Amino acid sequence: TQLLEQSPQFLSIQEGENLTVYCNSSSVFSSLQWYRQEPGEGPVLLVTVVTGGEVKKLKRLTFQFGDARKDSSLHITAAQPGDTGLYLCAGARDYKLSFGAGTTVTVRA
Amino acid sequence: NAGVMQNPRHLVRRRGQEARLRCSPMKGHSHVYWYRQLPEEGLKFMVYLQKENIIDESGMPKERFSAEFPKEGPSILRIQQVVRGDSAAYFCASSPPGLGGQGRYEKLFFGSGTQLSVL
Repeated sequence: TQLLEQSPQFLSIQEGENLTVYCNSSSVFSSLQWYRQEPGEGPVLLVTVVTGGEVKKLKRLTFQFGDARKDSSLHITAAQPGDTGLYLCAGARDYKLSFGAGTTVTVRA
Repeated sequence: NAGVMQNPRHLVRRRGQEARLRCSPMKGHSHVYWYRQLPEEGLKFMVYLQKENIIDESGMPKERFSAEFPKEGPSILRIQQVVRGDSAAYFCASSPPGLGGQGRYEKLFFGSGTQLSVL
C-alpha cells in the first residue's frame, strides 16, 4: 500500500485545457514535494511546500499544501504538450521521502 | 556543474550474478540516497549515506543488498546473487549538507538511474 495516494493515475487532455492532480495521505508530513519525471530519466524537483495552507505558483503551475499537511494538489492552467510527463508527489519526514505512484499526464496538441 | 552521475545506465545480469551500481553525487554534496522504482509503484527509499557512514538502511532488503559511500570515489549499491525480482530502475540522489549534519532533503537532485534487468 502507498503512503501517498495520487489521483488520477492517468490523465489525457487537449492543449489549452486545465488539469488538477491530487496527492492524499492519512499521515502528516513536514513538507511535500512535487517532481516531474521523463521516461528514462530521474525525477526533477518542481517545488517544495512546507506550511499548511501554502500556495506556490510556478508559471502556469499552482501547488497547494493542505491545512493539515496531509494532502496537496497540482493545478496546471492552459496545459501545453511540453507539460506531458509523470508527476510525482513525495512527503518528507526527516530525510526520507515517501513517493506516490505518480500521475501520467498527456497533453495532446 | 555536473549533475548526479549514475552508471551504468543499463545493466543486464543473469540470476545469481552480482550487480554493482555507481553514483557520483553533485559537487559539494556529501549526502547520498538510493531509491528503487518499480513500474506503477513510485520510488521506494532504500538507504541514506554520508561519506563513510550509513545513516539509515531501513529500506534495504536484509540480505544480498549493501551500500557504501567511501571517502574517495562514488557511492556503490551492490546486489549479490540477483534474482528476477531485483529488476527495477535504481535512482541515486544527492543533497548538500544542512543544519545539524543532516542532508537538505528538500533539495534533492536525482541521477538518471540505472535500469537493472535480471534474466
